[in-house]
Amino acid sequence: GQNIDQPTEMTATEGAIVQINCTYQTSGFNGLFWYQQHAGEAPTFLSYNVLDGLEEKGRFSSFLSRSKGYSYLLLKELQMKDSASYLCAVKDDKIIFGKGTRLHILP
Amino acid sequence: DTAVSQTPKYLVTQMGNDKSIKCEQNLGHDTMYWYKQDSKKFLKIMFSYNNKELIINETVPNRFSPKSPDKAHLNLHINSLELGDSAVYFCASTPGPGYYEQYFGPGTRLTVT
Repeated sequence: GQNIDQPTEMTATEGAIVQINCTYQTSGFNGLFWYQQHAGEAPTFLSYNVLDGLEEKGRFSSFLSRSKGYSYLLLKELQMKDSASYLCAVKDDKIIFGKGTRLHILP
Repeated sequence: DTAVSQTPKYLVTQMGNDKSIKCEQNLGHDTMYWYKQDSKKFLKIMFSYNNKELIINETVPNRFSPKSPDKAHLNLHINSLELGDSAVYFCASTPGPGYYEQYFGPGTRLTVT
């Protein structure tokens, strides 16, 4: 079956680093995505990994291990505006989203 | 110069009614999608069209009928609305079915009373 797991909620402090994990079990794999969704808004694309390793984009990095069915999103130098839900999604013949991790940033 | 737009943004209606949500994209993309996000924020794909042809049709009640008059538009018609249809419906588009970055519309919050 298709399954994507990520923590429901996390809390971190402004200026700190946080890692949001995602594990997946899907029948096929054509890439893994991370999206950010602020409350009441649409998801926006953050990153895409199809090969193993780390992809860095500014304060955000995403890592993939296909053999382990595992990814993480790393957010550095946290800002209050990073308070949002972070959605892990896997593409086989379509995109399947996880239930999202709600990240709370404390001042 | 909105990329993906949806109307209406909010829709409140009674059980049993029929309603439509419209989506338009001006990105020149070939592929469009409808997603449903429920109260627990779980985002799930419903339909996908590529160049007006249906390519993904998830297990969705047949009360939901998508229509794509051209590749820039994908509308969603819902018959006999039920309480469980209350959710936020997002439209999205990509240049083609193999592209990974989805461009989402602002969403339509549907409340069925």
